[in-house]
Amino acid sequence: DGGITQSPKYLFRKEGQNVTLSCEQNLNHDAMYWYRQDPGQGLRLIYYSQIVNDFQKGDIAEGYSVSREKKESFPLTVTSAQKNPTAFYLCASSRDRDRGGEQYFGPGTRLTVT
Amino acid sequence: DAKTTQPPSMDCAEGRAANLPCNHSTISGNEYVYWYRQIHSQGPQYIIHGLKNNETNEMASLIITEDRKSSTLILPHATLRDTAVYYCIARRINDYKLSFGAGTTVTVRA
Repeated sequence: DGGITQSPKYLFRKEGQNVTLSCEQNLNHDAMYWYRQDPGQGLRLIYYSQIVNDFQKGDIAEGYSVSREKKESFPLTVTSAQKNPTAFYLCASSRDRDRGGEQYFGPGTRLTVT
Repeated sequence: DAKTTQPPSMDCAEGRAANLPCNHSTISGNEYVYWYRQIHSQGPQYIIHGLKNNETNEMASLIITEDRKSSTLILPHATLRDTAVYYCIARRINDYKLSFGAGTTVTVRA
């Protein structure tokens, strides 16, 4: 089955620790995205990547970092500099920029930092 | 991107059509209207999009007014599994992002 996988589904960390969230897709999509969702709110874009070895900041990139070394993978690191890291993190992909409005989302990772 | 306005919530009877309104009065000529939905604790799911003409697919129909200032997503025969938050999004052609607002929480009741 083609799709996007995110692991783990739930993640718990202590404050001050960096944590990396995994996102893998086998859809052969060029573009990938990371969003954050807080309770009762819509999604906010953290980072996006249109092609391998290239990525751009979204609306709320501070305290986060990404890499895009392979087309299939777009991991997100939540650093200790992120002031409120507890949230639901969603990864998405689209075939390319032209089809950027049709994004396929993974199941999400719920991160809790205490 | 143009701002979209949706009612915060609405109920629908199972088996009936659900008509979800969206206002986008400041939409520009190169902005598409996209609809997504998010079932509780899952990732959003793309439903449909359109520019000027009405569109239909296996999930829903999208009706866009002639002046493009508003649109309606129609779920023709709502089921309990259609209970979700529905997002209406205006997106410029070739823009890299989708701007999700609060959406409409749709509850389908038996």
